[in-house]
Amino acid sequence: KQEVTQIPAALSVPEGENLVLNCSFTDSAIYNLQWFRQDPGKGLTSLLLIQSSQREQTSGRLNASLDKSSGRSTLYIAASQPGDSATYLCAVVAYGNKLVFGAGTILRVKS
Amino acid sequence: ETGVTQTPRHLVMGMTNKKSLKCEQHLGHNAMYWYKQSAKKPLELMFVYSLEERVENNSVPSRFSPECPNSSHLFLHLHTLQPEDSALYLCASSHTGDGADTQYFGPGTRLTVL
Repeated sequence: KQEVTQIPAALSVPEGENLVLNCSFTDSAIYNLQWFRQDPGKGLTSLLLIQSSQREQTSGRLNASLDKSSGRSTLYIAASQPGDSATYLCAVVAYGNKLVFGAGTILRVKS
Repeated sequence: ETGVTQTPRHLVMGMTNKKSLKCEQHLGHNAMYWYKQSAKKPLELMFVYSLEERVENNSVPSRFSPECPNSSHLFLHLHTLQPEDSALYLCASSHTGDGADTQYFGPGTRLTVL
């Protein structure tokens, strides 16, 4: 059974700092890995999708990497801003299967 | 309207009530999903519909009954719920139901069962 773990559970940083969120998964046979953002009481917004054949994806200040063999992904946020405060969720998809989510990292960027 | 919409946004119901959650997607997608997000637990997939047919039922109790009348609409019918069913229920859609595509989520319905 696929399990996804996210570390740390919560993170508080001053504005402008670069930061890394970690995601690990137990079964390396995945189809893709996705990072989402969730604001309090709201739905999820897709940030980045990395196919299993890819190593990384970039969007603006966000960079996500994937090391399928070791079962790890990182989300790098450059020059963090208070507006980045949210819960960040990692999810993996096995071939022809469903999204399995981690519990998330709650990020707070202080101004 | 664009994206994925859900109604109602908040719902309070007693254990003997019957209610329905509604989801509508305006993205031309062929797959729709129901997820449950409980406090301090990861998001859990409940149901997947692809081309209006249910392709995944993740061992969900029968007090939750999904309905997908067409590719744009998805319902979750609720009856005889328990207090532990209180959660945020999220709907999502994607172009296909094979997991390869990005899923787009609605804002969710915050359900409280008294």
